[in-house]
Amino acid sequence: AQTVTQSQPEMSVQEAETVTLSCTYDTSESNYYLFWYKQPPSRQMILVIRQEAYKQQNATENRFSVNFQKAAKSFSLKISDSQLGDTAMYFCAFQYTGTASKLTFGTGTRLQVTL
Amino acid sequence: DTGVSQDPRHKITKRGQNVTFRCDPISEHNRLYWYRQTLGQGPEFLTYFQNEAQLEKSRLLSDRFSAERPKGSFSTLEIQRTEQGDSAMYLCASSLVTVEEQYFGPGTRLTVT
Repeated sequence: AQTVTQSQPEMSVQEAETVTLSCTYDTSESNYYLFWYKQPPSRQMILVIRQEAYKQQNATENRFSVNFQKAAKSFSLKISDSQLGDTAMYFCAFQYTGTASKLTFGTGTRLQVTL
Repeated sequence: DTGVSQDPRHKITKRGQNVTFRCDPISEHNRLYWYRQTLGQGPEFLTYFQNEAQLEKSRLLSDRFSAERPKGSFSTLEIQRTEQGDSAMYLCASSLVTVEEQYFGPGTRLTVT
């Protein structure tokens, strides 16, 4: 079974600065997806970014980018030009391709963006 | 609003009572998932449906839990004889078969006293 580990329970960053959230995972599969989800306080979870394992190019979505190291089974999220609205819990998640489409989540990193 | 909706948003019940939650997915989505999230943890998978067929159940889903999706549209999750350990946020998500992203609802927070 796959596992997802987020080793940073809490992080803080000043507005306009850059922060990197770490995620490692363990799987014996070669075809899968990785995601970062954001859960703002008292609000629903939304997708931030996704990465297909077969793609070598790191995914980018505006201020959000990932560093995907398949051999090291590492998938970190970089947030550039942090904004107050980025304050949230961030979850890394793993999903096999094919029919087994459940998400396996890490325990999350609480990010606080300060003035 | 065409997102995933869940009802109720909050439920307080006494131990031993039965509760039922409802999830309405995005209208064209044929996959529907249930997750449970306890404080300080990431969501854990409970079960999922493709159309009306329940294709996978987690071992977390004890025999006190049952989920249905009778017409392939909305889904219900029932917990019988609730226990204090059932207190959690119950999240519903939906997706298209051809697209892997899951879209989450706001959740139902259950408190068992």
